[in-house]
Amino acid sequence: NAGVTQTPKFRILKIGQSMTLQCTQDMNHNYMYWYRQDPGMGLKLIYYSVGAGITDKGEVPNGYNVSRSTTEDFPLRLELAAPSQTSVYFCASSYRVNSHEQYFGPGTRLTVT
Amino acid sequence: DAKTTQPNSMESNEEEPVHLPCNHSTISGTDYIHWYRQLPSQGPEYVIHGLTSNVNNRMASLAIAEDRKSSTLILHRATLRDAAVYYCILRDPRLRGNQFYFGTGTSLTVIP
Repeated sequence: NAGVTQTPKFRILKIGQSMTLQCTQDMNHNYMYWYRQDPGMGLKLIYYSVGAGITDKGEVPNGYNVSRSTTEDFPLRLELAAPSQTSVYFCASSYRVNSHEQYFGPGTRLTVT
Repeated sequence: DAKTTQPNSMESNEEEPVHLPCNHSTISGTDYIHWYRQLPSQGPEYVIHGLTSNVNNRMASLAIAEDRKSSTLILHRATLRDAAVYYCILRDPRLRGNQFYFGTGTSLTVIP
């Protein structure tokens, strides 16, 4: 299994541009999550999904959108990039609602200038 | 969610045991204690979790105080590969979406 994969690894955006961060997992996990991590800080939850077609907001959802059309994929969309969205973005997944273990992807480093 | 308090940084010599403390004085009866770690330039990875009893696995041991207001992650023999940020996280599994709230963690430096 590849686990959780994310693309791209790095991206530089200009202010106002849009992009989609891709996340795919091959573990048949129902639950998927997007976090962001600012320099020197912990992770903050942006959005999560408990299954295909179901998404919900986390701590910091403003400026982002998500969709979950399949079990495997959970893309994160930035519509109008702002410098405050410069961060490292991690996608994660877990199998059950009460699972203690989340599996994280390698991250996407995004810079908005 | 109940908060945790961890030291910002710790150092350890290679091949010696490391005890990483975590205080969680407002823990509820249904909160599990989890530890994750994040190696440089990687996503976090699960280390261990527990509720009331001490726990051991191949990576580490978790010692939980009797009143559950503190816990300690024990790495029995630190290696250079254990240099990472260690996060102590409380989570009630009844929460919808299995949300974890990460703080700033403890940055562990392992000295050769």
